[in-house]
Amino acid sequence: GDSVTQMEGPVTLSEEAFLTINCTYTATGYPSLFWYVQYPGEGLQLLLKATKADDKGSNKGFEATYRKETTSFHLEKGSVQVSDSAVYFCALSGSGGYNKLIFGAGTRLAVHP
Amino acid sequence: DTAVSQTPKYLVTQMGNDKSIKCEQNLGHDTMYWYKQDSKKFLKIMFSYNNKELIINETVPNRFSPKSPDKAHLNLHINSLELGDSAVYFCASSQDAGYQPQHFGDGTRLSIL
Repeated sequence: GDSVTQMEGPVTLSEEAFLTINCTYTATGYPSLFWYVQYPGEGLQLLLKATKADDKGSNKGFEATYRKETTSFHLEKGSVQVSDSAVYFCALSGSGGYNKLIFGAGTRLAVHP
Repeated sequence: DTAVSQTPKYLVTQMGNDKSIKCEQNLGHDTMYWYKQDSKKFLKIMFSYNNKELIINETVPNRFSPKSPDKAHLNLHINSLELGDSAVYFCASSQDAGYQPQHFGDGTRLSIL
């Protein structure tokens, strides 16, 4: 079945460091790919998305490129802030029909001053 | 202004009880979802309704019964609560059942004593 694999956390960085969170997927067809972010005590917020191969999603300084050849959608940010501390979820949908999000296990990011 | 709102935010109850969680969205979306997030933050879809019709029903015990009185509301009723039902339950909505981004509520933390 379809699945998403994320790097295990926690990831601990100093402010202004470069961030990469790896995400790879297995899916039939051509899924859409998403990154969601969950701040403490809150629901999930869509961070960025890409709907087809080579698309780049970007938002708030975060970027991810849909790489079909490597089935990857790695999240990057050039300079993280303390306020970026959260749990990040990679997800796919659209494989096999309905808009069912299949999530990775989540990666906790902690940024310290 | 809240786009997807869930009530209650916290629910503490005894094993064996029956409880309901309500969800409402004011985005005019056609499709709504319930997800379960376990203690390790893993998220899994439970149900989805499109225009009040059930379209996704994952392998969920039949003690869980979703009800959609109209397309803006999707409630979750749980009978005979068990310890393993302790989790955070998230409601979400999307414009339609296609591959659209989903908007999440803040979650309901259910704790079974």
